[in-house]
Amino acid sequence: AQSVTQLDSQVPVFEEAPVELRCNYSSSVSVYLFWYVQYPNQGLQLLLKYLSGSTLVESINGFEAEFNKSQTSFHLRKPSVHISDTAEYFCAVSSNTGFQKLVFGTGTRLLVSP
Amino acid sequence: NAGVTQTPKFQVLKTGQSMTLQCAQDMNHEYMSWYRQDPGMGLRLIHYSVGAGITDQGEVPNGYNVSRSTTEDFPLRLLSAAPSQTSVYFCASSPEELPQETQYFGPGTRLLVL
Repeated sequence: AQSVTQLDSQVPVFEEAPVELRCNYSSSVSVYLFWYVQYPNQGLQLLLKYLSGSTLVESINGFEAEFNKSQTSFHLRKPSVHISDTAEYFCAVSSNTGFQKLVFGTGTRLLVSP
Repeated sequence: NAGVTQTPKFQVLKTGQSMTLQCAQDMNHEYMSWYRQDPGMGLRLIHYSVGAGITDQGEVPNGYNVSRSTTEDFPLRLLSAAPSQTSVYFCASSPEELPQETQYFGPGTRLLVL
């Protein structure tokens, strides 16, 4: 079984500042990792995912995440945030064998202020 | 192409009442699932389906029933509503098993059980 820990429930940051949202996972098997974003009153949208290959993955809007197997982490980073990045971010994991089901973390609310 | 649609958007029930949350997708996706989102707990999988006529339980299936008579529709039934089922419910679909394809989420149904 897999589990995901997002230690920060809320991260306040000023516009144009860098941000890191932390995600650690636990699994006895190899995994795939995801970050989803949820804007207010909307469903979840996939931000980026790690399946295999390069451990650094990027999204089209400037976010990136690095898979670190030894530390079982998949932290999300952005060098300069915008007001429009205000949202809730969910880290998720699935096994890469058999039938995969997503297991989500509890979410981190990113609050960007001017 | 409407993607994943959910009805109703909001619903208030009394304890003991039954109701069906509707979910439909027009992308011919084989895989569909239902999640509930509760504060501080992220999203948890209720039931899922890998194709018409095939359903299985997720992490929190008690009190819910599903069926999949067509590829397009995946309704979630609450048999006898309880206050503990107050939550936001999301339906999702993807064209094949994770993780090669992204899961597409609907806008959600907010349910209040009094």
